[in-house]
Amino acid sequence: GDSVTQMEGPVTLSEEAFLTINCTYTATGYPSLFWYVQYPGEGLQLLLKATKADDKGSNKGFEATYRKETTSFHLEKGSVQVSDSAVYFCALSAGTSGSRLTFGEGTQLTVNP
Amino acid sequence: NAGVTQTPKFQVLKTGQSMTLQCAQDMNHEYMSWYRQDPGMGLRLIHYSVGAGITDQGEVPNGYNVSRSTTEDFPLRLLSAAPSQTSVYFCASSRLAGPYEQYFGPGTRLTVT
Repeated sequence: GDSVTQMEGPVTLSEEAFLTINCTYTATGYPSLFWYVQYPGEGLQLLLKATKADDKGSNKGFEATYRKETTSFHLEKGSVQVSDSAVYFCALSAGTSGSRLTFGEGTQLTVNP
Repeated sequence: NAGVTQTPKFQVLKTGQSMTLQCAQDMNHEYMSWYRQDPGMGLRLIHYSVGAGITDQGEVPNGYNVSRSTTEDFPLRLLSAAPSQTSVYFCASSRLAGPYEQYFGPGTRLTVT
């Protein structure tokens, strides 16, 4: 079945550091890929998405590129801020399951001033 | 625009008790779903619905029932609560098929003693 694997956390960085959170997936067909973010005490919200190979999703300084050859969708940001502290989830939606999302385990990011 | 609302925010139950978690959306979305979030396991799909009168099981449906009598509402029923159902529950909605953004409610934190 479909699955998503994220790098183990938690991740702690200093402000202005470079961020990478790794995400790899297994899916049949051609999935769409997403990054969701969960701030403390809130529900998840969409951060960015990509729907086909080599697409780059971007939002709020975060980027991720859909790499079909390595089945990856790594999240990057060049300079993190304290306000980026949150849990980040990688997810996929496989074509055969329509809207249904499969999530990774989540990665807790803490950014210190 | 309220988006996706969930009630209650917190609930404590004793083993064997039953209860209903409420979820409503005002975006006229066809697709609605329930997830549970447990540490280190990401979000797991419990049940979902593609429209009024149509529901289906997700990854972890045992111990839960759902119904969808209107487009707006998608309640989740715990029939006989067990400590293993201690979790944070999220409701989400989106347009059907995809890859459309899923909108999440703020969550219900349930403890079963």
